[in-house]
Amino acid sequence: QQPVQSPQAVILREGEDAVINCSSSKALYSVHWYRQKHGEAPVFLMILLKGGEQKGHEKISASFNEKKQQSSLYLTASQLSYSGTYFCGTEENTGFQKLVFGTGTRLLVSP
Amino acid sequence: GAGVSQSPSNKVTEKGKDVELRCDPISGHTALYWYRQSLGQGLEFLIYFQGNSAPDKSGLPSDRFSAERTGGSVSTLTIQRTQQEDSAVYLCASSLVRVNQPQHFGDGTRLSIL
Repeated sequence: QQPVQSPQAVILREGEDAVINCSSSKALYSVHWYRQKHGEAPVFLMILLKGGEQKGHEKISASFNEKKQQSSLYLTASQLSYSGTYFCGTEENTGFQKLVFGTGTRLLVSP
Repeated sequence: GAGVSQSPSNKVTEKGKDVELRCDPISGHTALYWYRQSLGQGLEFLIYFQGNSAPDKSGLPSDRFSAERTGGSVSTLTIQRTQQEDSAVYLCASSLVRVNQPQHFGDGTRLSIL
């Protein structure tokens, strides 16, 4: 099943913070986060691995709660360039990097 | 090339025609993925190629959809007897086959069925 993201949409003023959540019904091996701007390809942000290792972006952080099968993406001091749709992609215990992408969260940062 | 290349960028065709979409992955990336994204929706997994292994076709929505990957590089997604519900953006991604590598996406092919 597709991971569920919340909120579905959020509007921020520049400089404000946001948290985007991703919840799965299945045990997860890793969670990937991507951002997609309108009409463009998704761009990689972050990978969170079972066991706590994190790979990715300098200005964006994230957490992965393996027991709850949840991940959260933290956007602090948001910039106009953060606007877009954020997708989490979950990988089950397969090791084959097949991702199931979430429902998406639309973020709009205004001046 | 520097990134994943997809062609054509746009394709308009009549219902019932066959279409071929091409993906050229990043050099050295042995994993290749196809996704479908309908307007305003998320990414729907279609098929996954990894090296010389049998592809994971579990996401193909019907037998009208097929894909191949020649020489471990370029991939072609074919849709036969297109239907209006096939209209979407078809995205290709590639990655290294190592633990937890990011997927790199192409700009996609926007397919419109009249």
